[in-house]
Amino acid sequence: DIQMTQSPSSLSASVGDRVTITCRASQSITTYLNWYQQKPGRAPKLLIYAASSLQSGVPSRFSGSGSGTDFTLTISSLQPEDFATYYCQQSYNLVTFGGGTKVEIK
Amino acid sequence: QVQLQESGPGLVKPSQTLSLTCTVSGDSISSGSYYWSWIRRPAGKGLQWIGRIYTGGSTDYNPSLKSRVTISVDTSKNQFSLNLRSVTAADTAMYYCARFAGTVVTPFHFDYWGQGTLVTVSS
Repeated sequence: DIQMTQSPSSLSASVGDRVTITCRASQSITTYLNWYQQKPGRAPKLLIYAASSLQSGVPSRFSGSGSGTDFTLTISSLQPEDFATYYCQQSYNLVTFGGGTKVEIK
Repeated sequence: QVQLQESGPGLVKPSQTLSLTCTVSGDSISSGSYYWSWIRRPAGKGLQWIGRIYTGGSTDYNPSLKSRVTISVDTSKNQFSLNLRSVTAADTAMYYCARFAGTVVTPFHFDYWGQGTLVTVSS
């Protein structure tokens, strides 16, 4: 099984901050890595697919990078609507999600 | 616009079978190269993939749940279903259905989700 480890598990940030979340796979998954945002009471929403491709309709302040085992989701300037939990997910072999990163207001 | 909607009992007794159905609208479940999936989120925890069924009917399951899970499809109703046997309190969660889409050049990802349905396991 491929394990996905996200860090940090939570963070506090202010509006306008640059935020970086990392995700590490237990083996190489090339670029079979997606990122999702989930707000309370809502279904997850796809932000980034294939490690760095922005899903249609997602603001350009979101970006993804990485390949192999190490990946990053960056929010260039945090907005009030970005406070949520973020998950990475691999689709290289079956499906595994990371543990999530909760982004809270500082 | 593709839409998915989960339905089923919100309360299941321990040791019984949890059964949910996902109704797909806006697209035919038998068209395209998609996997139709179930995912859950226990309260206070992260997302856990349960399994998927391909358009052609083949299935894959999370190894940790495989012995208790069956996913099936009813193309005549444009629905797919989840059966999870011998449930315990640990199976209490929000359950989501989702479409898993991709191509030979675009890795698969969950592009459409249902709103989720809360299932509680309790006597």
